[in-house]
Amino acid sequence: DAGVTQSPTHLIKTRGQQVTLRCSPKSGHDTVSWYQQALGQGPQFIFQYYEEEERQRGNFPDRFSGHQFPNYSSELNVNALLLGDSALYLCASSLGGYLYTDTQYFGPGTRLTVL
Amino acid sequence: DAKTTQPTSMDCAEGRAANLPCNHSTISGNEYVYWYRQIHSQGPQYIIHGLKNNETNEMASLIITEDRKSSTLILPHATLRDTAVYYCIVSDYNTDKLIFGTGTRLQVFP
Repeated sequence: DAGVTQSPTHLIKTRGQQVTLRCSPKSGHDTVSWYQQALGQGPQFIFQYYEEEERQRGNFPDRFSGHQFPNYSSELNVNALLLGDSALYLCASSLGGYLYTDTQYFGPGTRLTVL
Repeated sequence: DAKTTQPTSMDCAEGRAANLPCNHSTISGNEYVYWYRQIHSQGPQYIIHGLKNNETNEMASLIITEDRKSSTLILPHATLRDTAVYYCIVSDYNTDKLIFGTGTRLQVFP
């Protein structure tokens, strides 16, 4: 049973560029959430996708956007990259669309470095 | 803001039980307590969760006090591979989110 997978593993970009990160959920899961984790901090919730719609959003600017495909995989897009966007980006999947009751399973993350 | 309070760090001898406390005094009746751990630079790993009753699985036990204002995660026989940051999270019913704090850094020593 494949767990949550993310690509790429590492990424280096320069300020002002755009980046796309990808996530495939655990088999059977229909909900994908994205988190940003800065060094030494806990993960911070960015947004959640369920039934191809953004259902919940954390305190992140519109430069952060996403998409969920019919096969439940998801993309996170970040435009106009800033140095402060350097972080580990985590994808988590769950079943059912409700984060407070549904156990989330995390992928290994994508390490983004902005120079 | 995170709804839990955890010690910043703890030590445990290999083979002994690790007891990680968590305070969540503002928890509501329909909010769950989740525990995750994160080994350096990896994605968080789900450990266990509970609502009111104590829970046990192959990884750990979760003891929730009767008033639900605190809980303890128990790793019965800690190994060096259990060295990680452990996050206690109360799921937020109103916002339907998991809000992570900074967790407890558990160091298991030989």
